[in-house]
Parts: sequence; C-alpha cells; structure tokens
Amino acid sequence: AQKITQTQPGMFVQEKEAVTLDCTYDTSDQSYGLFWYKQPSSGEMIFLIYQGSYDEQNATEGRYSLNFQKARKSANLVISASQLGDSAMYFCAMREALSGSARQLTFGSGTQLTVLP
Amino acid sequence: GAVVSQHPSRVICKSGTSVKIECRSLDFQATTMFWYRQFPKQSLMLMATSNEGSKATYEQGVEKDKFLINHASLTLSTLTVTSAHPEDSSFYICSARVHRPSSGNTIYFGEGSWLTVV
Repeated sequence: AQKITQTQPGMFVQEKEAVTLDCTYDTSDQSYGLFWYKQPSSGEMIFLIYQGSYDEQNATEGRYSLNFQKARKSANLVISASQLGDSAMYFCAMREALSGSARQLTFGSGTQLTVLP
Repeated sequence: GAVVSQHPSRVICKSGTSVKIECRSLDFQATTMFWYRQFPKQSLMLMATSNEGSKATYEQGVEKDKFLINHASLTLSTLTVTSAHPEDSSFYICSARVHRPSSGNTIYFGEGSWLTVV
C-alpha cells in the first residue's frame, strides 16, 4: 500500500491565487513527521514546511501552510498568493519511527504545479 | 543558505568507469545521511542509508557492489557508482537530518547530481 499519496499529478493556478496540493498518508506509528519539498527543474529539493504528528497547530512558513487533519491522515499544502516562481514539482514526504536512530523519508509521487500569469 | 552541499552537480562519464559523488553537511555533524535516486518525472527512491563509521544500509534491489557508499567522517558521505552503465544515468541526491528548534529533526537535501553515462 502507498504510504504517501498525492492524487494530483498536475495542477494549474492563476498568479496571486491560492492553491491546495493534496497529500494523504498511511502509517500505524503514533510519532511521525510530514514534510513538503519543492523541486524546480534544476533538481534541487527545497524544504518548505514540516508538521509533527503531535503538533496541535497547523504549521505555517510564510506563504506556505499545512492543513493537517490527523484523523483523516491528510497533510495538504496551501500556497497563498501564488507566484510564477512557484511553478515546480511538489513532493509530500513522511518520516516514520524506525528501529535505531535512522529515520528515512518516504515520498509521494509528486504534483507538478504550474502558475499561470 | 545551503545546509547540505553535493558535488558535482553534473557529471558525464564513459561506460565502465567509476564516478564519485560527494555529500557534505555544512556547519553540522550528520551521523546519518541518505542517498536517493530519481528518474525523470518520477519520485525519489531511497537507495541507502549512510551511517558514519559503519556500513551503509542498502534498500532492497540496490546493488551494494555497484553503488559504494562511504561515510568516513561526520560531515561527508560519498556515493561511488562503479563500472557505470548508461542505465545508471539518473539524478542522485543526498540528504541529512538536521535538528532545528523551529522545525525539529528536519531533513535537508543537497543540490543533487545529474549523472550521464555515455
């Protein structure tokens, strides 16, 4: 079963509008972390926002906010006031507790966001 | 600024040769780093977990003898693609875990390395 599901392969949004990128996850762990990364065409992975499973408030970082609904196991990324430079691939990822100290990330399939002028 | 640095960003090598990619943590010690591979228009696939001072832990299906990982110091992990073949051409990217007060154990990525085997 997919641990991270991003159901939107591609999304379009008008410049200055807000957009929501969906992410649902599957885990039996009580302690986990959820991440969103932006990957422009250059390939680098840019960290955007993090939400811990025990965080009661939704994470926010500038124009990025994470709509965390724990019961529904969803962690949607909301980008407000979209800019042309936001056009990129966006990945949702989860870190689960593993035995030992190593904690790897599991990625979703990504959503290609295109911001239209 | 960059937290994890990866080098080279692009490399072209001939079939049969080996190529080394470096991943450095900047201003922090990383006992664990991760190496991913990404094919065009696909997600990242974890190849191995690099552990400082011990052997790397490889994911199922990843050839240990082909993708050599060395984590000799707390700030450097290297991935060596040995006897490279054209099918090894891909985007390779490393990551390291950093503890930040604002975001807990956040994982940052290097800039990635585009490998082309001709």
